[in-house]
Parts: sequence; structure tokens; C-alpha cells
Amino acid sequence: EVQLLESGGGLVQPGGSLRLSCAASGFTFSSYAMTWVRQAPGRGLEWVSTISGGSGGSTYYADSVKGRFTISRDNSKNTLYLQMNSPRAEDTAVYYCAKGDQVTARSPFDYWGQGTLVTVSS
Amino acid sequence: DIQMTQSPSTLSASVGDRVTITCRASQSISGWLAWYQQKPGKAPDLLIYRASTLQSGVPSRFSGSGSGTDFALTISSLQPDDFATYYCQQYNSSPWTFGQGTKVEIK
Repeated sequence: EVQLLESGGGLVQPGGSLRLSCAASGFTFSSYAMTWVRQAPGRGLEWVSTISGGSGGSTYYADSVKGRFTISRDNSKNTLYLQMNSPRAEDTAVYYCAKGDQVTARSPFDYWGQGTLVTVSS
Repeated sequence: DIQMTQSPSTLSASVGDRVTITCRASQSISGWLAWYQQKPGKAPDLLIYRASTLQSGVPSRFSGSGSGTDFALTISSLQPDDFATYYCQQYNSSPWTFGQGTKVEIK
């Protein structure tokens, strides 16, 4: 059974930093692209970042987070990360980890975690 | 960036109704489109990918159609469990983008 378990959310000050993690199980983690999607309170879904499978040589970012957030993966630990630097109030959202259905980034998201809430506030 | 526009934003329907949600892309995305269902407080679930392929385990009352720029999600006979918000998403090119969502409410 595929499971994705996010952690690391919480309250962070504007300009601070936070690292989200997503522990994966039930599938060959290295073989699939992985993605972060967020949802601000009462709003729709917003794609944040995707990393390809394998060594994760290809990464993609939304313009809203480019240069501030970094996606990475550790295939030996079956874990996906999102390093959030210099967060802003508008980054406040539930962050979901999602699995692609193939190694390349051009894939739908077939499994999702339960989400972790990030609140950016002083 | 490719903009995805869903209509309607809200849909009121009764159990047993046939409902259709449309999604339009600002440029051609071939068939690289997915549909998701999200219930309050829960993560989205993948319903359909490649515009018309039903995800494993999804009831056959759900179907998808379209290619290029115009797509549709149809529920042939609305069930109580189907009242939720539905999103389309293009994965033709980065940045991947979602529609704004369609909330299906009980009439």
C-alpha cells in the first residue's frame, strides 16, 4: 500500500526557514517523480515543485517559490524534502506531497499524503 | 504559463443527475490532463488521467473526454459520495497548473 507521510510543518516567521519532509513507503521510491502541491486556507490547489525520479536530476518550480524553495530527494531514505527559505505570509498553506505515476515529471499525481500545515506569521 | 479555466465554479445537483464540468486550457495541452476530487479536510484523489483514462478503483460513472484545449468530466449518475470539489490539472508543460475548482453541491 502506497503511503506518503508529510512532516515538518508549523509556525515560521517571515524570512525564516523550514524544511518539510515526506516519508514514502509501499512503492519503489526512486522510480517515480515526486511533487509538492499546496492549498492556502479556503483556496484551490497550487502546484509548487516537482523532482524527477532516479537521481532527481530535473527539478521544476512555480515562479512564486523559485529561488526561495528547494526540492530534493534521498532515495536511500525514501524521503522527499522541501526546503523553504525566506517564507512569506502568502506561503501559508497545507503542503501536500504527491507521487507521480512515472519517472519523468510529466505525470499526474496518483497518490497524495495527508498534508502538513505551514503558517508564516510573526 | 498555461491557464486552466473550469466552469461552472459551483454546481447544484441532485442524486441521480448527470453532471458535466468543463475545463479549458489557454493553449493546447494535447491529452495531458488529469481530474481530481477533493473532499473537505482531505487530500485530493486522482480520478482520471490522460484526459480519459479512469484511475484504478474509480467508479465507472466518472468519465473524461476532450483533447487540445477543451475537456470535460462527466458523472453519469451523481451519488451522495460525489459531493465534493473537482479540479482539472494540466501536466503538458511546467509550470503544471490547476483549474480553480468546481464545487458540486446538493440541490
